[in-house]
Amino acid sequence: KQEVTQIPAALSVPEGENLVLNCSFTDSAIYNLQWFRQDPGKGLTSLLLIQSSQREQTSGRLNASLDKSSGRSTLYIAASQPGDSATYLCAGGIGAGGTSYGKLTFGQGTILTVHP
Amino acid sequence: ETGVTQTPRHLVMGMTNKKSLKCEQHLGHNAMYWYKQSAKKPLELMFVYSLEERVENNSVPSRFSPECPNSSHLFLHLHTLQPEDSALYLCASSQEGGRGEKLFFGSGTQLSVL
Repeated sequence: KQEVTQIPAALSVPEGENLVLNCSFTDSAIYNLQWFRQDPGKGLTSLLLIQSSQREQTSGRLNASLDKSSGRSTLYIAASQPGDSATYLCAGGIGAGGTSYGKLTFGQGTILTVHP
Repeated sequence: ETGVTQTPRHLVMGMTNKKSLKCEQHLGHNAMYWYKQSAKKPLELMFVYSLEERVENNSVPSRFSPECPNSSHLFLHLHTLQPEDSALYLCASSQEGGRGEKLFFGSGTQLSVL
């Protein structure tokens, strides 16, 4: 059974810092790795998706990497801003084959606070 | 606006009530999902519908009954729930083409069972 762990559970940084969020998974047979952002009381917003054949994806100040052999993914946030404060979730796509690939195993998230 | 709309946003119900959660996606996707987010626990997949057929039931108790009348609408019918069913219920959709695509989530229904 796939298990996803995120470290740290919470992180507080001053504005402008570069930071790294870590995600590890137990089953390397994932077909993709997705990073989401969740604001309090809201749903999830997809940030980046890395297919199993890829090593990294970038969007603006965000960069996510995937190392299937070590079972790890990292989310790098450059020049953090107070608006980046949210919970960040990683999820591994499971169940290759079949008619649907939206079956994700989620970590418990990292609560990020960026203070001015 | 994510393109996935859930109603109601908040719901309080007694253990003997029957209620339904509604989800509508405006993205033209072919797959829809129900996820449950409980306090202190990771999101858990409940049901998957692809092309209006249920393809996954993740050992969910029968007091939760999903319905997908068409590719744009998804319901979760609730009856005789327990207090431990209190959680944020999230609907999501995606366009599945075999490579694994991004999931788009609604804002969720915060359910409290008294």
